[in-house]
Amino acid sequence: DIQLTQSPSSLSASVGDRVTIACQASQDITKYLNWYQKKPGKAPKLLIYDASNLKTGVPSRFSGNGYGRHFTLTINNLQPEDFATYFCQQYDDLPPGPLTFGGGTKVEIK
Amino acid sequence: EVHLLESGGGLVQPGGPLRLSCAASGFTFYNHAMNWVRQAPGKGLEWVSTIVGSGSATYYADSVKGRFTISRDNSENTLYLQISSPRAEDTAIYYCVKAGGQSLGLFEYWGQGTLVTVSS
Repeated sequence: DIQLTQSPSSLSASVGDRVTIACQASQDITKYLNWYQKKPGKAPKLLIYDASNLKTGVPSRFSGNGYGRHFTLTINNLQPEDFATYFCQQYDDLPPGPLTFGGGTKVEIK
Repeated sequence: EVHLLESGGGLVQPGGPLRLSCAASGFTFYNHAMNWVRQAPGKGLEWVSTIVGSGSATYYADSVKGRFTISRDNSENTLYLQISSPRAEDTAIYYCVKAGGQSLGLFEYWGQGTLVTVSS
Protein backbone atom coordinates (compact mmCIF):
# COMPACT_ATOMS: atom_id res chain seq x y z
CA ASP A 1 0.00 0.00 0.00
CA ILE A 2 1.15 3.54 -0.73
CA GLN A 3 1.55 5.65 2.41
CA LEU A 4 1.23 9.45 2.38
CA THR A 5 3.01 11.47 5.05
CA GLN A 6 1.83 15.04 5.52
CA SER A 7 3.76 17.70 7.36
CA PRO A 8 3.25 19.55 9.51
CA SER A 9 0.25 17.99 11.23
CA SER A 10 -0.82 21.46 12.34
CA LEU A 11 0.31 25.04 11.98
CA SER A 12 -0.68 28.47 13.18
CA ALA A 13 -0.75 31.36 10.73
CA SER A 14 -2.14 34.83 10.35
CA VAL A 15 -4.40 36.32 7.70
CA GLY A 16 -2.21 37.35 4.78
CA ASP A 17 0.49 34.75 5.43
CA ARG A 18 1.83 32.26 2.92
CA VAL A 19 1.44 28.65 4.04
CA THR A 20 3.03 25.52 2.56
CA ILE A 21 2.00 21.96 3.37
CA ALA A 22 4.06 18.97 2.29
CA CYS A 23 2.95 15.49 1.30
CA GLN A 24 5.42 12.67 0.71
CA ALA A 25 4.47 9.36 -0.89
CA SER A 26 6.13 6.08 0.04
CA GLN A 27 6.66 5.32 -3.64
CA ASP A 28 6.47 7.04 -7.01
CA ILE A 29 2.87 8.08 -7.80
CA THR A 30 3.79 10.30 -10.76
CA LYS A 31 1.19 13.08 -10.85
CA TYR A 32 -1.74 11.26 -9.18
CA LEU A 33 -2.02 13.40 -6.07
CA ASN A 34 -4.99 15.53 -5.04
CA TRP A 35 -5.59 18.06 -2.26
CA TYR A 36 -8.82 18.57 -0.29
CA GLN A 37 -10.05 21.12 2.23
CA LYS A 38 -12.18 19.96 5.15
CA LYS A 39 -14.03 22.19 7.60
CA PRO A 40 -15.83 20.88 10.70
CA GLY A 41 -19.33 19.72 9.90
CA LYS A 42 -18.83 20.23 6.18
CA ALA A 43 -18.06 17.91 3.29
CA PRO A 44 -14.50 17.91 1.95
CA LYS A 45 -13.84 19.98 -1.14
CA LEU A 46 -11.42 19.20 -3.95
CA LEU A 47 -8.90 22.01 -4.41
CA ILE A 48 -6.10 20.64 -6.58
CA TYR A 49 -6.03 17.53 -8.78
CA ASP A 50 -3.17 15.77 -10.52
CA ALA A 51 -0.66 17.57 -8.33
CA SER A 52 -0.97 21.04 -9.84
CA ASN A 53 -4.34 21.58 -11.51
CA LEU A 54 -6.65 24.03 -9.78
CA LYS A 55 -10.27 22.90 -9.74
CA THR A 56 -12.59 25.38 -11.43
CA GLY A 57 -13.92 27.88 -8.93
CA VAL A 58 -11.11 27.45 -6.40
CA PRO A 59 -9.34 30.73 -5.65
CA SER A 60 -5.99 31.21 -7.37
CA ARG A 61 -4.22 31.75 -4.05
CA PHE A 62 -4.20 27.94 -3.81
CA SER A 63 -1.52 26.15 -5.81
CA GLY A 64 -0.03 22.67 -5.96
CA ASN A 65 3.33 21.41 -7.04
CA GLY A 66 5.29 18.19 -7.22
CA TYR A 67 5.78 14.90 -9.04
CA GLY A 68 6.84 11.41 -8.11
CA ARG A 69 7.06 11.27 -4.31
CA HIS A 70 7.18 14.89 -3.14
CA PHE A 71 4.28 17.32 -3.32
CA THR A 72 3.29 20.65 -1.79
CA LEU A 73 0.14 22.71 -1.36
CA THR A 74 0.71 26.45 -1.02
CA ILE A 75 -1.83 29.02 0.10
CA ASN A 76 -0.82 32.60 -0.63
CA ASN A 77 -2.41 35.54 1.22
CA LEU A 78 -4.23 33.31 3.71
CA GLN A 79 -7.86 34.33 4.16
CA PRO A 80 -10.16 33.79 7.17
CA GLU A 81 -12.14 31.16 5.25
CA ASP A 82 -8.97 29.13 4.64
CA PHE A 83 -8.64 28.01 8.25
CA ALA A 84 -9.42 24.32 7.89
CA THR A 85 -7.81 20.90 7.66
CA TYR A 86 -6.11 19.92 4.41
CA PHE A 87 -5.63 16.37 3.16
CA CYS A 88 -3.59 14.96 0.32
CA GLN A 89 -4.76 11.79 -1.45
CA GLN A 90 -3.20 9.49 -4.03
CA TYR A 91 -5.00 7.52 -6.70
CA ASP A 92 -2.13 5.91 -8.54
CA ASP A 93 -2.89 2.62 -6.88
CA LEU A 94 -6.42 1.90 -8.14
CA PRO A 95 -7.19 -0.63 -9.47
CA PRO A 96 -6.98 -2.56 -7.31
CA GLY A 97 -6.30 -0.08 -4.50
CA PRO A 98 -6.24 1.02 -1.86
CA LEU A 99 -6.62 4.74 -2.33
CA THR A 100 -4.98 6.51 0.55
CA PHE A 101 -5.07 9.89 2.28
CA GLY A 102 -2.46 11.76 4.21
CA GLY A 103 -3.05 12.31 7.90
CA GLY A 104 -4.13 15.92 7.43
CA THR A 105 -2.77 19.35 8.28
CA LYS A 106 -4.85 21.62 10.47
CA VAL A 107 -4.35 25.31 9.68
CA GLU A 108 -5.26 27.41 12.71
CA ILE A 109 -5.43 31.11 13.38
CA LYS A 110 -2.40 32.52 15.17
CA GLU B 1 -25.21 21.48 -10.34
CA VAL B 2 -24.00 18.20 -8.86
CA HIS B 3 -25.97 17.10 -5.84
CA LEU B 4 -25.35 14.01 -3.70
CA LEU B 5 -27.68 13.19 -0.83
CA GLU B 6 -26.84 10.34 1.52
CA SER B 7 -29.36 8.61 3.75
CA GLY B 8 -29.69 5.51 5.86
CA GLY B 9 -27.30 6.30 8.67
CA GLY B 10 -28.14 6.05 12.33
CA LEU B 11 -27.56 3.89 15.38
CA VAL B 12 -27.02 0.22 14.61
CA GLN B 13 -26.11 -2.66 16.88
CA PRO B 14 -22.93 -4.63 16.22
CA GLY B 15 -23.76 -7.33 13.68
CA GLY B 16 -26.97 -5.65 12.54
CA PRO B 17 -27.21 -4.96 8.79
CA LEU B 18 -27.42 -1.42 7.46
CA ARG B 19 -27.80 0.00 3.98
CA LEU B 20 -26.70 3.48 3.02
CA SER B 21 -28.10 5.20 -0.05
CA CYS B 22 -26.94 8.16 -2.09
CA ALA B 23 -29.27 9.94 -4.49
CA ALA B 24 -27.34 11.67 -7.26
CA SER B 25 -28.39 14.44 -9.60
CA GLY B 26 -26.91 17.11 -11.84
CA PHE B 27 -24.69 14.82 -13.94
CA THR B 28 -24.85 11.71 -16.14
CA PHE B 29 -24.70 9.16 -13.36
CA TYR B 30 -23.78 6.04 -15.35
CA ASN B 31 -20.77 7.80 -16.88
CA HIS B 32 -18.94 8.17 -13.60
CA ALA B 33 -17.38 5.93 -11.01
CA MET B 34 -18.68 6.48 -7.50
CA ASN B 35 -17.05 6.07 -4.13
CA TRP B 36 -17.70 5.85 -0.42
CA VAL B 37 -15.25 7.59 1.89
CA ARG B 38 -15.59 7.74 5.67
CA GLN B 39 -14.28 9.76 8.58
CA ALA B 40 -14.34 8.31 12.07
CA PRO B 41 -14.72 10.74 14.99
CA GLY B 42 -11.50 12.70 15.45
CA LYS B 43 -9.78 10.78 12.66
CA GLY B 44 -8.74 11.41 9.08
CA LEU B 45 -10.38 10.41 5.83
CA GLU B 46 -10.49 6.75 4.81
CA TRP B 47 -11.41 5.42 1.37
CA VAL B 48 -13.98 2.61 1.69
CA SER B 49 -15.05 1.47 -1.77
CA THR B 50 -15.30 2.33 -5.49
CA ILE B 51 -17.67 1.15 -8.21
CA VAL B 52 -17.21 1.84 -11.90
CA GLY B 53 -19.93 3.53 -13.94
CA SER B 54 -21.42 0.34 -15.36
CA GLY B 55 -21.28 -1.40 -12.00
CA SER B 56 -19.19 -4.20 -13.48
CA ALA B 57 -16.19 -3.70 -11.20
CA THR B 58 -15.90 -2.89 -7.52
CA TYR B 59 -12.99 -2.26 -5.16
CA TYR B 60 -12.76 -2.27 -1.37
CA ALA B 61 -10.45 -1.27 1.44
CA ASP B 62 -9.08 -4.28 3.29
CA SER B 63 -10.79 -3.07 6.47
CA VAL B 64 -14.26 -3.62 4.94
CA LYS B 65 -13.67 -6.35 2.37
CA GLY B 66 -16.11 -9.19 2.80
CA ARG B 67 -18.43 -7.14 5.04
CA PHE B 68 -19.40 -4.17 2.85
CA THR B 69 -20.99 -4.31 -0.61
CA ILE B 70 -21.11 -1.33 -2.95
CA SER B 71 -23.72 -1.28 -5.71
CA ARG B 72 -25.57 1.16 -7.91
CA ASP B 73 -28.86 1.49 -9.75
CA ASN B 74 -28.17 3.56 -12.85
CA SER B 75 -31.88 3.69 -13.71
CA GLU B 76 -32.52 5.43 -10.37
CA ASN B 77 -29.23 7.42 -10.16
CA THR B 78 -28.61 5.89 -6.76
CA LEU B 79 -25.51 4.51 -5.06
CA TYR B 80 -25.67 2.02 -2.19
CA LEU B 81 -23.44 0.65 0.52
CA GLN B 82 -24.60 -2.50 2.29
CA ILE B 83 -22.90 -2.92 5.66
CA SER B 84 -23.03 -6.44 7.05
CA SER B 85 -21.76 -7.28 10.51
CA PRO B 86 -20.90 -3.69 11.46
CA ARG B 87 -18.28 -3.21 14.13
CA ALA B 88 -17.64 -0.38 16.56
CA GLU B 89 -14.72 0.73 14.40
CA ASP B 90 -17.12 1.32 11.49
CA THR B 91 -18.59 4.27 13.40
CA ALA B 92 -18.02 7.23 11.10
CA ILE B 93 -19.53 9.78 8.78
CA TYR B 94 -19.92 8.12 5.40
CA TYR B 95 -19.58 10.33 2.34
CA CYS B 96 -20.85 9.55 -1.14
CA VAL B 97 -18.32 10.86 -3.65
CA LYS B 98 -18.47 11.33 -7.41
CA ALA B 99 -15.30 10.56 -9.31
CA GLY B 100 -14.03 13.15 -11.73
CA GLY B 101 -13.73 12.59 -15.46
CA GLN B 102 -12.82 9.03 -16.40
CA SER B 103 -10.85 8.42 -13.23
CA LEU B 104 -11.80 6.09 -10.42
CA GLY B 105 -10.15 7.83 -7.53
CA LEU B 106 -10.35 11.57 -8.16
CA PHE B 107 -12.93 12.67 -5.57
CA GLU B 108 -14.54 15.55 -7.41
CA TYR B 109 -17.82 16.12 -5.53
CA TRP B 110 -18.86 15.04 -2.06
CA GLY B 111 -22.19 14.68 -0.37
CA GLN B 112 -22.80 16.07 3.11
CA GLY B 113 -22.43 12.64 4.66
CA THR B 114 -24.50 10.35 6.86
CA LEU B 115 -23.44 9.35 10.36
CA VAL B 116 -23.30 5.67 11.24
CA THR B 117 -22.92 4.81 14.92
CA VAL B 118 -22.31 1.17 15.80
CA SER B 119 -23.09 0.54 19.43
CA SER B 120 -25.06 -1.82 21.62
